[in-house]
Amino acid sequence: GAGVSQTPSNKVTEKGKYVELRCDPISGHTALYWYRQSLGQGPEFLIYFQGTGAADDSGLPNDRFFAVRPEGSVSTLKIQRTERGDSAVYLCASSPGHGGQLETQYFGPGTRLLVL
Amino acid sequence: QKEVEQNSGPLSVPEGAIASLNCTYSDRGSQSFFWYRQYSGKSPELIMFIYSNGDKEDGRFTAQLNKASQYVSLLIRDSQPSDSATYLCAVNKGGYSTLTFGKGTMLLVSP
Repeated sequence: GAGVSQTPSNKVTEKGKYVELRCDPISGHTALYWYRQSLGQGPEFLIYFQGTGAADDSGLPNDRFFAVRPEGSVSTLKIQRTERGDSAVYLCASSPGHGGQLETQYFGPGTRLLVL
Repeated sequence: QKEVEQNSGPLSVPEGAIASLNCTYSDRGSQSFFWYRQYSGKSPELIMFIYSNGDKEDGRFTAQLNKASQYVSLLIRDSQPSDSATYLCAVNKGGYSTLTFGKGTMLLVSP
């Protein structure tokens, strides 16, 4: 079956602009996660959805970042008034959502965001 | 102290050798431990996970967990040049919680 997909694969924008990044999880996965990875660093957690609701948004760096998952499948990460420091690879992952120690996350290819 | 620590490397091993990748974590509440491989410019790919003390083997890969020492490792036997990548250690408190990643260790396997 299809894996996690993300669009666009690359996004170049100017400082101050608004961007939307999309994630389509593995079919049937109820849990969805957004991470951000800067060069030379491991992925850093941003937000986690269980179904339609954000179960944990403690990783969002500030109120310029927002994410939605209105129908419990596709999710959109929205960044307002982008700053050069937002430049990174934004990774989406999904997992079955059954819970427990065996809950493994599968990553999409990422969106490379460059803010000029 | 960072939550998950890894030596950034690079760790250089010759083809056919055993590569040993190490990771320590600070939160004793961590329950599950994951190793991801990440090729340059690509997304993380799950290799294996472990949640019980001891060893877990999967093909050429062996994960080792010691919760008392808060230490997890990944051994790669018969290393191949195609194993050259960054290996990310991640910990999970269990259930629906998120993953906390280390910075990753770059492995270089020379032919």
